[in-house]
Amino acid sequence: DSGVTQTPKHLITATGQRVTLRCSPRSGDLSVYWYQQSLDQGLQFLIQYYNGEERAKGNILERFSAQQFPDLHSELNLSSLELGDSALYFCASSYSSLAGVYNEQFFGPGTRLTVL
Amino acid sequence: ELKVEQNPLFLSMQEGKNYTIYCNYSTTSDRLYWYRQDPGKSLESLFVLLSNGAVKQEGRLMASLDTKARLSTLHITAAVHDLSATYFCAVALPQGGSEKLVFGKGTKLTVNP
Repeated sequence: DSGVTQTPKHLITATGQRVTLRCSPRSGDLSVYWYQQSLDQGLQFLIQYYNGEERAKGNILERFSAQQFPDLHSELNLSSLELGDSALYFCASSYSSLAGVYNEQFFGPGTRLTVL
Repeated sequence: ELKVEQNPLFLSMQEGKNYTIYCNYSTTSDRLYWYRQDPGKSLESLFVLLSNGAVKQEGRLMASLDTKARLSTLHITAAVHDLSATYFCAVALPQGGSEKLVFGKGTKLTVNP
């Protein structure tokens, strides 16, 4: 158990809908990262927040957005869902955010999203 | 754009045999991670390699990093069934004062009795 929690574990929804995935980082960690794992794209970095501020962006679609709240939990919002958004979404956390500093990321159990 | 290539993508081996998984990357980085993933599960950190020439070992797994060649290897010694899983390498890429991980496609390892 990494100490990172994610809810829900599974989510089944229809195309066109909107969902929110939630992540609580390990105690003391200030950075939260979101990743998408799909069969065709593999594991892709989506976005990172550090202490409430967006720090780095990856291949995140405009239909997706995220935020980190004052209590450091984070939410990933996915809207206008398409079949291709079906994937495993991981959250990871780390203490720091600084490039060049050893900064291991610990991964949560993931949320499996199925879009029908 | 940083590209991370793992090979092989699929590996079927007999128990007791040795094998090496390779991870090549296209841009300079001095930090590389190896993760293990069991089916439907999360990513478990195996090794963090922080400098050129770094070598780390845990049980039957040994990882090394050659930053000049932009190559990391994960060597499996005397494989056992419990090592069956998918193994990912990930390279840390600085971005905007922070960093992101760029993953290889993974190597699915099956160890047969």
